[in-house]
Amino acid sequence: GQQVMQIPQYQHVQEGEDFTTYCNSSTTLSNIQWYKQRPGGHPVFLIQLVKSGEVKKQKRLTFQFGEAKKNSSLHITATQTTDVGTYFCAGVQGAQKLVFGQGTRLTINP
Amino acid sequence: GAVVSQHPSWVICKSGTSVKIECRSLDFQATTMFWYRQFPKQSLMLMATSNEGSKATYEQGVEKDKFLINHASLTLSTLTVTSAHPEDSSFYICSAEVAGRGNTGELFFGEGSRLTVL
Repeated sequence: GQQVMQIPQYQHVQEGEDFTTYCNSSTTLSNIQWYKQRPGGHPVFLIQLVKSGEVKKQKRLTFQFGEAKKNSSLHITATQTTDVGTYFCAGVQGAQKLVFGQGTRLTINP
Repeated sequence: GAVVSQHPSWVICKSGTSVKIECRSLDFQATTMFWYRQFPKQSLMLMATSNEGSKATYEQGVEKDKFLINHASLTLSTLTVTSAHPEDSSFYICSAEVAGRGNTGELFFGEGSRLTVL
């Protein structure tokens, strides 16, 4: 079945440093989504990428979808304490259900 | 944005009892809702897909007789954990897709329900 691998599992940075999490799928995806879950909270949709090689930005967050539509990344520039949380990628193959990666838990030292 | 409400947020029950969790789409219709289970510091594991007016589709390894799902209307799906045991203690989260809006696939999540079985 479809698998979505996400690394790293944990990342601790100093406030102001950059952060990147990577997502890889065993199969070609029709789209990939990113979610953020704050400690004790529920996942909140960040963005969806559909096109091969697509790059989208949301302020300090940059999302990329690989040319082969099998990998994706989320990069945060100059992290702030409000960025703390777990970031999940979730991939969709065709019309199938969303499969979540394991998540990357980001902690920040102020 | 679309709002999904989940109730209760916290529930503590005795072993052997049943617990019902409700998931409501407040400002949109959801023909499909999803139920996830999340253990501490782990990812979301899809348990079942709830389809309005039909039987739920369960993922492999999920006992359909233990986790009863009912999706009787376009705005409500319920998950009942029957004869709960301590190993059923977890964070249960529902999500929904917006129906009839040129569905982009974006999921809207409920706040989650933390179940503790004593």
